[in-house]
Amino acid sequence: GAGVSQTPSNKVTEKGKYVELRCDPISGHTALYWYRQSLGQGPEFLIYFQGTGAADDSGLPNDRFFAVRPEGSVSTLKIQRTERGDSAVYLCASSLAGSGANVLTFGAGSRLTVL
Amino acid sequence: GQNIDQPTEMTATEGAIVQINCTYQTSGFNGLFWYQQHAGEAPTFLSYNVLDGLEEKGRFSSFLSRSKGYSYLLLKELQMKDSASYLCAVRETNFNKFYFGSGTKLNVKP
Repeated sequence: GAGVSQTPSNKVTEKGKYVELRCDPISGHTALYWYRQSLGQGPEFLIYFQGTGAADDSGLPNDRFFAVRPEGSVSTLKIQRTERGDSAVYLCASSLAGSGANVLTFGAGSRLTVL
Repeated sequence: GQNIDQPTEMTATEGAIVQINCTYQTSGFNGLFWYQQHAGEAPTFLSYNVLDGLEEKGRFSSFLSRSKGYSYLLLKELQMKDSASYLCAVRETNFNKFYFGSGTKLNVKP
């Protein structure tokens, strides 16, 4: 697609529920990133995919968070047993790989609110 | 890890020049990036420095000193639409991660 598409744009859920957030990157971008942004803060790295594999998942805060990218394109971020502290905007970004990764193109984000 | 510092908020007048500073301490470095983020929107790329010196791009310029761990973003001929948060980000050596500062909220007044 022309840009990075994220769905849903807004998600309100109750504490303890499971949520999935989807990212559709720019066609041809092999690198895909998930970031989390809380109000007044910069984006916080969660996970990076190069193709289908999670090349770096060191930013995932705990084992309730998991992400997949089974065909090297669309990615899903999954959060189990949500907590109020998970409330944030979840940003997805894609880029060309390696040294060509000078520019991250971000999606508009999925705003998650856990009540 | 990375430690990236930038001022929380700045105010400037339309038509003026403003400089937003960023200092960083890193375990690995492969580029310094500036992004603009309007309220409620996604960050958009502004500039990139990997070597020391000044990169100019229209009204926006960015400077880097690797030895000092310092960068600045210079905005000239400020316009009201420049009111936004400006994020400084460092890319680590293996290209995997971009670490972002908390952002500087710029308020442009008439």
